[in-house]
Amino acid sequence: DGGITQSPKYLFRKEGQNVTLSCEQNLNHDAMYWYRQDPGQGLRLIYYSQIVNDFQKGDIAEGYSVSREKKESFPLTVTSAQKNPTAFYLCASSSGLAGGLNLYNEQFFGPGTRLTVL
Amino acid sequence: KNQVEQSPQSLIILEGKNCTLQCNYTVSPFSNLRWYKQDTGRGPVSLTIMTFSENTKSNGRYTATLDADTKQSSLHITASQLSDSASYICVVRGNNRLAFGKGNQVVVIP
Repeated sequence: DGGITQSPKYLFRKEGQNVTLSCEQNLNHDAMYWYRQDPGQGLRLIYYSQIVNDFQKGDIAEGYSVSREKKESFPLTVTSAQKNPTAFYLCASSSGLAGGLNLYNEQFFGPGTRLTVL
Repeated sequence: KNQVEQSPQSLIILEGKNCTLQCNYTVSPFSNLRWYKQDTGRGPVSLTIMTFSENTKSNGRYTATLDADTKQSSLHITASQLSDSASYICVVRGNNRLAFGKGNQVVVIP
């Protein structure tokens, strides 16, 4: 999984509780991303960050929040406002913004966290 | 409408046989196309990247093709192995965005 770790691998929470998913990378990458994966659907971008202390909303940011206080870390909080939080969450990083000028920026993905809200 | 369509959605093949996965896209302007392999419960891993000028690229038993005129790509798996059982995801970059396909689910049986 290329120097990106996510924890925990499985997470169970009661409805109405906030939960934070961890993502750490030791690849010295500037850009980090959070995706959500549901059965039968493509990956959907939640948030991304190009640099420390800066992040941007993706396509489905509602009900989620992030922080980027360190280059290596990009935690995702799933809040109680997220209507359907049960999903597989993937964190990724790249040496530059994946949609940016470096056409060969590969995204390296972590092993994922499966969140189940009961 | 999804900008990246993959077919077939799923397929079962016998170990040792070949198979071909299809990816059609409408992303424009086009920058590049990646094929990822995702094992169950794991993160995707890049197999190959195709740029506008490339028609064919191989990575071991995986061969990707690209026809930028018809906006189609294929991933051919030769002499399949049980470890090829996975989801194969086509990702197209264009217009400073990434568009993800839903994946081709491949199951290799002995």
